[in-house]
Amino acid sequence: GAGVSQSPSNKVTEKGKDVELRCDPISGHTALYWYRQSLGQGLEFLIYFQGNSAPDKSGLPSDRFSAERTGGSVSTLTIQRTQQEDSAVYLCASSLEGRQPQHFGDGTRLSIL
Amino acid sequence: GENVEQHPSTLSVQEGDSAVIKCTYSDSASNYFPWYKQELGKRPQLIIDIRSNVGEKKDQRIAVTLNKTAKHFSLHITETQPEDSAVYFCAASPDTGRRALTFGSGTRLQVQP
Repeated sequence: GAGVSQSPSNKVTEKGKDVELRCDPISGHTALYWYRQSLGQGLEFLIYFQGNSAPDKSGLPSDRFSAERTGGSVSTLTIQRTQQEDSAVYLCASSLEGRQPQHFGDGTRLSIL
Repeated sequence: GENVEQHPSTLSVQEGDSAVIKCTYSDSASNYFPWYKQELGKRPQLIIDIRSNVGEKKDQRIAVTLNKTAKHFSLHITETQPEDSAVYFCAASPDTGRRALTFGSGTRLQVQP
């Protein structure tokens, strides 16, 4: 596609439920990043995938958060047993291998009731 | 790890005036510094970036300056227009290894017609 695609655009769920967020990077981009943006805040790094290398998970805030990237393309961010503090916009970005800049998707707005 | 401070948090200018947003960073290994513009409910969009081998870069009404010694960089917008109103984020990252961006907390720019 022409840009980074994320789905769903909005997700409302009850506390304690699991959620999956999807990111489809720009074709040919081997680097993929997940960030979280809480209301009125800057972006916080969560996890980074580069090609077939082991992902950099150093930004994940707890073990309830995990992410996969299958076939070097689409990535899924999973949040288990959601808490109200998980409410935020989750943004995905991709870039060419070993290069900047990063191009962002529109994000998924997650609301935990 | 890297820490990026951004100020001011809000900035109001009259149409036609200039706007300056400043950021400082802590990690001397950082050598890539992008600026993103984010309109309400939209994705962050790259407006300009600079690498540490360059002291200044311009693109029409937008310019970025970098002082590596002092570890600070600034965004300059001249002849501001109402459509420049948005939240602006600075960021920093190394150009090798993990290239995840560390973001500032954002500046809300309001251009008054």
